[in-house]
Amino acid sequence: KNQVEQSPQSLIILEGKNCTLQCNYTVSPFSNLRWYKQDTGRGPVSLTIMTFSENTKSNGRYTATLDADTKQSSLHITASQLSDSASYICVVTFKAAGNKLTFGGGTRVLVKP
Amino acid sequence: NAGVMQNPRHLVRRRGQEARLRCSPMKGHSHVYWYRQLPEEGLKFMVYLQKENIIDESGMPKERFSAEFPKEGPSILRIQQVVRGDSAAYFCASSTNGGLQETQYFGPGTRLLVL
Repeated sequence: KNQVEQSPQSLIILEGKNCTLQCNYTVSPFSNLRWYKQDTGRGPVSLTIMTFSENTKSNGRYTATLDADTKQSSLHITASQLSDSASYICVVTFKAAGNKLTFGGGTRVLVKP
Repeated sequence: NAGVMQNPRHLVRRRGQEARLRCSPMKGHSHVYWYRQLPEEGLKFMVYLQKENIIDESGMPKERFSAEFPKEGPSILRIQQVVRGDSAAYFCASSTNGGLQETQYFGPGTRLLVL
């Protein structure tokens, strides 16, 4: 079983609408949780990073939340744009794993006009 | 300041050949990480290197795979005697140091296809 699970696997939304992506992790303690955006054929790009003590972090229209008690994080995209079409990956750095990143499977978002 | 560079972007090899993937980290970064992304799967850690040192290779397959990051030049991920199952996207990332809160910056990846 993957230590970082994401849902949904894929999502289609209309341009201008909001959406929320979920991430559950099973191992703690962790050092930080990140959200990355990966465009097709490109490498992942960091959107947000949160430590254990942080509840929320924003980067423009992207807002990540973290609930360390339930081991859940979410990424909210506001007023989606066509350029938001990408895979969004939840990445956790577990303390027991040093600084290795553990990746979720990603959520593929398609924004339609 | 150029980002992380990887080359080639695409590589086609026949079974049994060798594949060499190169990664030049961002300027000022001395820590390099390699990840593999199999088709329809998430990225998986392979190896973490500093200049001239392998820090963590717990994600590397035991055979045929090796990595180096020499004092001068790019980091190299080498796959000997490739098999079809090695077909994947290989991503390199770099950071200024190995701190847990450090952001890892990813390159565009090398897509390896083994025929």
